[in-house]
Amino acid sequence: DTGVSQNPRHKITKRGQNVTFRCDPISEHNRLYWYRQTLGQGPEFLTYFQNEAQLEKSRLLSDRFSAERPKGSFSTLEIQRTEQGDSAMYLCASSLAGTGGNIQYFGAGTRLSVL
Amino acid sequence: DQQVKQNSPSLSVQEGRISILNCDYTNSMFDYFLWYKKYPAEGPTFLISISSIKDKNEDGRFTVFLNKSAKHLSLHIVPSQPGDSAVYFCAARVGTTNAGKSTFGDGTTLTVKP
Repeated sequence: DTGVSQNPRHKITKRGQNVTFRCDPISEHNRLYWYRQTLGQGPEFLTYFQNEAQLEKSRLLSDRFSAERPKGSFSTLEIQRTEQGDSAMYLCASSLAGTGGNIQYFGAGTRLSVL
Repeated sequence: DQQVKQNSPSLSVQEGRISILNCDYTNSMFDYFLWYKKYPAEGPTFLISISSIKDKNEDGRFTVFLNKSAKHLSLHIVPSQPGDSAVYFCAARVGTTNAGKSTFGDGTTLTVKP
């Protein structure tokens, strides 16, 4: 088990472009979370899945953001028509619901810079 | 409205001494609390947690204390080591085994001086 993997690690894009990030969770984990972190702040919740079902979405997740987990394994987060305010670290985490603590394990994140 | 607050952005301690990191919360529905440690260029790593039915949980050099009446928790590191230098995030959530999202504080940067 190699932990939670996120790709790419860095993404630089121009304002108005679309970007997509990928997260591969720990293999036996049934829950997958997306968070966003800006400089000097803690991670902010965006959305999470249990298997392929998206169970909760934050109001931070505007209609330009969409997340999928089509087969209950990896997930993608797409941002359409990027804005400079989207520049942040996007963190993915996974957990095994129903186990003690349901601890979330994080990947190293994808850093997005919108020029 | 920030529901989890870490009021000290930074803390510096001498190697071998105790580090005490504090966290306050406002949402009385929170019943499970976690501490994460984050090194540069890495994601947050789970450190220790505590359920609201307890007031203390210990794991090696790390102890978390919970004061529910004050809506306050703290992380004690004894003895502190230079490798403990990192950003520490307090997180809180509703529920344990089937809980969803966590709400994080903004972190405290701990520096342990040799």
